Amino acid sequence: GAGVSQTPSNKVTEKGKYVELRCDPISGHTALYWYRQSLGQGPEFLIYFQGTGAADDSGLPNDRFFAVRPEGSVSTLKIQRTERGDSAVYLCASSPGTGTGYTFGSGTRLTVV
Amino acid sequence: GENVEQHPSTLSVQEGDSAVIKCTYSDSASNYFPWYKQELGKRPQLIIDIRSNVGEKKDQRIAVTLNKTAKHFSLHITETQPEDSAVYFCAASPGGGNKLTFGTGTQLKVEL
Repeated sequence: GAGVSQTPSNKVTEKGKYVELRCDPISGHTALYWYRQSLGQGPEFLIYFQGTGAADDSGLPNDRFFAVRPEGSVSTLKIQRTERGDSAVYLCASSPGTGTGYTFGSGTRLTVV
Repeated sequence: GENVEQHPSTLSVQEGDSAVIKCTYSDSASNYFPWYKQELGKRPQLIIDIRSNVGEKKDQRIAVTLNKTAKHFSLHITETQPEDSAVYFCAASPGGGNKLTFGTGTQLKVEL
């Protein structure tokens, strides 16, 4: 596609519920990244994929967070038992290879009530 | 891990003046330093980046300088225009770009 696409753009969920956030990277980009941005802060690294495998998941805050990229293209970030502190904008980015400039998507604004 | 500090948090300049934003990093292994511009409610957009084998890079009105010894890098915007108003983030990466650590951002306001 022309850019990185993230769906939904907004998600409101109740505390304790499960959510899935989707990222569709730019066609042909092998590297895919997830970041989380809280209000007034810079993006915070969560995980990055090179192809289908998670090359670095050191930013995932705890075991409630999980991400997959089964076919090396679309990725899904999954959050179990959501908490109010999970509320943030979740940004996805892709790049042609590692070490090159990212293109970010518009993000999914997650609100846990 | 890497820690990036960014100053100032807010910066107000008159149209046509220059703006300078400074960042320091902690991990001497960092070798890639991008700068992003984020307008309100929009995605971060890469405006310029520099690698550790270069001391300065320029693209029209925007330039970035890197001092590896002091572990700091700066963004310079000349001849500022109202459309430069946004939040600017610096970032650093020891892996050449795989995992970015961002600064806390600078709100730049260019006044007419």
